Amino acid sequence: EVHLVQSGAEVKKPGTTVKISCKVSGYTFIDSSLYWVKQAPGRGLEWMGLVDPEKGETIYAEKFQGRVTITADTSTDTTYMTLSSLRPEDTAVYYCATESLARLLDSWGQGTLVTVSS
Amino acid sequence: DTVMTQSPESLAVSLGERATINCKSSQSVLHTFNNQNYLAWYQQKPGQPPKLLIYWASTRESGVPDRISGSGSGTDFTLTISSLQAEDVAVYFCQQYYSTPITFGPGTKVEVK
Repeated sequence: EVHLVQSGAEVKKPGTTVKISCKVSGYTFIDSSLYWVKQAPGRGLEWMGLVDPEKGETIYAEKFQGRVTITADTSTDTTYMTLSSLRPEDTAVYYCATESLARLLDSWGQGTLVTVSS
Repeated sequence: DTVMTQSPESLAVSLGERATINCKSSQSVLHTFNNQNYLAWYQQKPGQPPKLLIYWASTRESGVPDRISGSGSGTDFTLTISSLQAEDVAVYFCQQYYSTPITFGPGTKVEVK
C-alpha cells in the first residue's frame, strides 16, 4: 500500500522560507512523479508543481515560479517543497501526492499546515 | 490553462435521495488517441486529504461504492450519488488531467437536508 507521510505544521513570519518534506513508501520511488498541491483555508485545490524523481526534472505552476522549489531525494524516498518570500496568503495546507496514471493523483499525504503571520 | 467550473456550489439532499454535481471544462479533455476523458472526481472530508473516486470520467477507483458514478464527455461531466448516505457528506472536486497545469474545480459541498 502506498503511503505518503508529510512533516508537521509550521508557523512562519512574512518574508521567510518554509521547507516541507513528504516521505513515500509502498512503491518504487522513481516510478512516479510527485506533485504538490495548495489548499488555502476554505478554498479549492491549486497545483504548485511536480518533480520526476528519476530524472530530477521539475515543472512549476506559473503562479509559483520563482518562489517554489521541489526536489526528490532518491536515497530516502522523500520529496521536498520549499516556498520562499512567504506572505500571509501562503497560509494553507500543502499536500504531496503521487500519480498512478499521468497527472492523475491517486495517493495523497496527510497535509501540512503552514501559517504565515507576523 | 483549462478552467474547471462546478455547479452547484453546495447542495443539501435527504438521506437516500440523489445528489448530482456538474463539472465543466473550458476546453475538451477528451483525448482522441485513446478516446478517454481525462477527468477525475475527488471527495474531501474535513481535515482529510482528497480521495480519488472516479477517473476516466466514469471509472470507479477500487473500493468506491457503486452508488457513486460519473458520466459525461468532452467538456461536460456529472457526478451522481444515487442514494445519499451520511458518509457521503463532503466536498467534491473535479480535476482535469489532460494537460499540465492540472486544474481543479472549485468544489461542491454536499450536506444532508
